[in-house]
Amino acid sequence: DVKVTQSSRYLVKRTGEKVFLECVQDMDHENMFWYRQDPGLGLRLIYFSYDVKMKEKGDIPEGYSVSREKKERFSLILESASTNQTSMYLCASSSTEIIYEQYFGPGTRLTVT
Amino acid sequence: AQSVSQHNHHVILSEAASLELGCNYSYGGTVNLFWYVQYPGQHLQLLLKYFSGDPLVKGIKGFEAEFIKSKFSFNLRKPSVQWSDTAEYFCAVNAGRGSTLGRLYFGRGTQLTVWP
Repeated sequence: DVKVTQSSRYLVKRTGEKVFLECVQDMDHENMFWYRQDPGLGLRLIYFSYDVKMKEKGDIPEGYSVSREKKERFSLILESASTNQTSMYLCASSSTEIIYEQYFGPGTRLTVT
Repeated sequence: AQSVSQHNHHVILSEAASLELGCNYSYGGTVNLFWYVQYPGQHLQLLLKYFSGDPLVKGIKGFEAEFIKSKFSFNLRKPSVQWSDTAEYFCAVNAGRGSTLGRLYFGRGTQLTVWP
């Protein structure tokens, strides 16, 4: 079974703090994705990566950056957290062989006060 | 950009009622289609998928979906829902090329509430 884990289920940060969200997958998947999920808006893609040290912007990259130094790990960075970044953050991964089917982590609910 | 529309934001049914959730997408070329489900407190998981072949696909827990190319639709159905089907359902489409080959475009989700 594919396992995608995220470093925290719940996180509370203050405005202006730098925030790191970590995601690890254990199935040697090449592709990894970061989404945010908001009520009524569904899932919106922030960034994705098809290989180590490679990244592509999704639909809402502003205010975020990512890092992929190792194949299994994909980090989402909020450079200076703001209250409008309060959300549920979901990480997903997929393999190049079955690249369309994504496996999701449990999510991190981030609150910025 | 691709877009995916889910017609119903919240559907409320009684147990044993039939379910149909609508999904339409905007891309005219070859697509791969998915329904994901998120049960309360759980992570998103794949319900079913369509890549090619028979346009009627069956998924887990008695769900099925029909791909109608002429209508750009991929509606989810279940003949008789159960209380345990209470969840949020997301339609997703892959129509990427090149570097965006693996990305999915998601609808806004439909919350299904089933009363016992």
